[in-house]
Parts: sequence; C-alpha cells; structure tokens
Amino acid sequence: GEDVEQSLFLSVREGDSSVINCTYTDSSSTYLYWYKQEPGAGLQLLTYIFSNMDMKQDQRLTVLLNKKDKHLSLRIADTQTGDSAIYFCAESRQAGTALIFGKGTTLSVSS
Amino acid sequence: GAVVSQHPSWVICKSGTSVKIECRSLDFQATTMFWYRQFPKQSLMLMATSNEGSKATYEQGVEKDKFLINHASLTLSTLTVTSAHPEDSSFYICSAGGGQGAFGYTFGSGTRLTVV
Repeated sequence: GEDVEQSLFLSVREGDSSVINCTYTDSSSTYLYWYKQEPGAGLQLLTYIFSNMDMKQDQRLTVLLNKKDKHLSLRIADTQTGDSAIYFCAESRQAGTALIFGKGTTLSVSS
Repeated sequence: GAVVSQHPSWVICKSGTSVKIECRSLDFQATTMFWYRQFPKQSLMLMATSNEGSKATYEQGVEKDKFLINHASLTLSTLTVTSAHPEDSSFYICSAGGGQGAFGYTFGSGTRLTVV
C-alpha cells in the first residue's frame, strides 16, 4: 500500500524502555525520520536515519532500520513521563517532495 | 538552525469569514513550502506544495478555491482559508524546504483554527 503504518498506542511504566514500530512503503526513501508532537504543539524532530544505515543511537534514542523489510523502530531507553506524546515516523521519498507521515503512535508513560 | 515562524498559533473565527495563516522562513530561503492539515488524533495530511513564484500544487480532494496558497517570496508563504466553516476547524502546519540532506525540512509550530 501507499501508507506509512504505525501502531497507534503504547503504554509503558516510567523507567522502562519503549519501542515504537513503523513500516514504510518506498524502498527508495532516502531518509527516515521520527518526530515528537506534544498536545497542541507542532512537530519536534527527534532523530533521523539515512537509508544506508542500520542503526543510529542518540543518547536515550536508538533507531533501527531493516531496509529489506522496510521496518523502522524507535527505542526510548529509561522512558520518562515527559516522553508522553505522539510519535510520528516519516519518510522522504524524493528530494523536493513532502514527507509522508504515519498516523502516529501515542505513547503513555505512567509513574 | 533553520526556523520557520508560523502565526497565528491559534485563531477563532466566525463561519463565513476568511483566515490567513503565515509561515516565514528565518535566515534561509524556502523555495518550497508544504502545507499540512491535522485532525485530532490523526496524522498530518499533505494539502498542497507551493514553490516560490508559481502556483501551488494541491493534493487530490483539497479545494484550491477554498485553501488559497500564496508563495510570493522566498521567505513567506500564506494559506488563506476562505469562507471558513466548522468542518475547516483543524491544526494547520507548514513545512519549508524539501531540499537535500536530512535537515531539508523545517516545520512551523502550527496554527489551531476553530470556526464557530
């Protein structure tokens, strides 16, 4: 299909790890992104990965990319209540064109 | 880094009136601006793509006469919701760039439009 797919909800306890999964559609996508959106706010770029990479780590965030399966994941270590938000994955299919977003995963962190 | 200033951040208007949303690129030139719409608890849906000095390209199902996009300069793009109705209430976000590299996209902070 044409859509970027994500699971809609994830609930974790504070201190646990969170893993948010995404499948994308275009094998020629150059960059894949993770954005965070807090209630009523715009998009905050969390991290990105280039399509020729398998993994990228940035402090508490780890991105894994399985290009064969077109599967992207975002792992948040030591999840905090401030991490509660909606997380969007997005793909850049072609330079100069708009990002294509998934439906977003709502992460709920309980203390 | 690159910043896109979007305003207003929220607006309430009466049915039948028009509302203009502005996105300005600060310290860089935005040759391309993407306009998205987001319904509550849903994803960002691309409405249109505008290139400086030319007409916007609208996605299927988006009424070009209702959502007027102007991109007259390299630092300013506007979206005007004409004759707004309650069903136009939504969160609108602009994104500048789309150029090469990972940081080719810079998002505005969004505008919450409520039509009463």
